[in-house]
Amino acid sequence: DSGVTQTPKHLITATGQRVTLRCSPRSGDLSVYWYQQSLDQGLQFLIQYYNGEERAKGNILERFSAQQFPDLHSELNLSSLELGDSALYFCASSVGGREGDTQYFGPGTRLTVL
Amino acid sequence: AQKVTQAQTEISVVEKEDVTLDCVYETRDTTYYLFWYKQPPSGELVFLIRRNSFDEQNEISGRYSWNFQKSTSSFNFTITASQVVDSAVYFCALSGPMFSGGYNKLIFGAGTRLAVHP
Repeated sequence: DSGVTQTPKHLITATGQRVTLRCSPRSGDLSVYWYQQSLDQGLQFLIQYYNGEERAKGNILERFSAQQFPDLHSELNLSSLELGDSALYFCASSVGGREGDTQYFGPGTRLTVL
Repeated sequence: AQKVTQAQTEISVVEKEDVTLDCVYETRDTTYYLFWYKQPPSGELVFLIRRNSFDEQNEISGRYSWNFQKSTSSFNFTITASQVVDSAVYFCALSGPMFSGGYNKLIFGAGTRLAVHP
């Protein structure tokens, strides 16, 4: 158990809908990351937050947004869902936000868009 | 460009065999960090090891060992006396300032699926 929690574990929804994925980092970690794992794209970095502020953006679609709250938990919002958004979404956390800080991953949320 | 290549898509071995998973990386950074993660069938990503570019010492942890060679840009992972519980997908990942802009993006290889049969 990495200490990173994610809810829900599974999510099934329809095209066009909006969902919210939630992540709680390990105790003491200030940085949160979101990654998408799909069969065709592999593991792709989406976005990083550090102590409530956005730090870096990766291949995140405009339909997706995220935030980190004062209690350091984070939410990833996915809207206007398409079939291709079906994937495993991981949250990770690290103590700091600098390159090389070890990222510990949560169990993931499996999103299925029908 | 920064890139991680895991050329072995799938490896199948019998229990107690030794197996080496290859990882080759590309980066223009002089300071960078390499990681290995394990993804068992249950789906979570488990951190195994972190290595910075200035530390070329090989590392051993139980049945696991890692061979970092800057000269060949490789960071290979060996499991000695493999067990069924080692069956998983293993990912090599890279983080470095040029790629990440000073932040902590990880770039992953495609992964190697290891199947250990009894």
